[in-house]
Amino acid sequence: NAGVTQTPKFRVLKTGQSMTLLCAQDMNHEYMYWYRQDPGMGLRLIHYSVGEGTTAKGEVPDGYNVSRLKKQNFLLGLESAAPSQTSVYFCASSRVLLRAPTGELFFGEGSRLTVL
Amino acid sequence: AQSVSQHNHHVILSEAASLELGCNYSYGGTVNLFWYVQYPGQHLQLLLKYFSGDPLVKGIKGFEAEFIKSKFSFNLRKPSVQWSDTAEYFCAVNTGGFKTIFGAGTRLFVKA
Repeated sequence: NAGVTQTPKFRVLKTGQSMTLLCAQDMNHEYMYWYRQDPGMGLRLIHYSVGEGTTAKGEVPDGYNVSRLKKQNFLLGLESAAPSQTSVYFCASSRVLLRAPTGELFFGEGSRLTVL
Repeated sequence: AQSVSQHNHHVILSEAASLELGCNYSYGGTVNLFWYVQYPGQHLQLLLKYFSGDPLVKGIKGFEAEFIKSKFSFNLRKPSVQWSDTAEYFCAVNTGGFKTIFGAGTRLFVKA
């Protein structure tokens, strides 16, 4: 009963390095999201996907790229990491009700990224 | 712009005290409402949700929330908190699109 799985759980990068966070869900959900969580700011949406092969920008997309080549996977990439990207990243997925997302999110366990 | 406001950033209670966490949102149309809980070191989990119907919603672990449409509010309540309720609580609103907006969160600490 895995649900939403994120890898890696922790990562330390130097400024300018690149990395990819992987999210996998086994619930056959159409919609997937990447959020970042910062103290006192709640969760902010980075990018989202409404289906395989489609992605869209969220609230704070700058400095990030995403890909959804398979329905169950949603990748978040940092091409050139900056200290401002130090955060906890959460992947989430959601199901559809009457062909519309319900907004109910199923979260992964988070990936803590530190950029030095 | 749509937004979600949580009135208290930090709350400290003793065990058995009653809890009420405020949540207000800014959107005039139909909404789906959620409270999520994040226990220390863990991911966010759904506490309760409101889509339609009875505005008093009961969730897990004895929590409930009341949707008051006229006040744009969805406050979370629990009659008697336990030490294990220590966590951060997030109110969230979905307006029917792909974006769910989260409040800044309320950190609850329950003293044993």
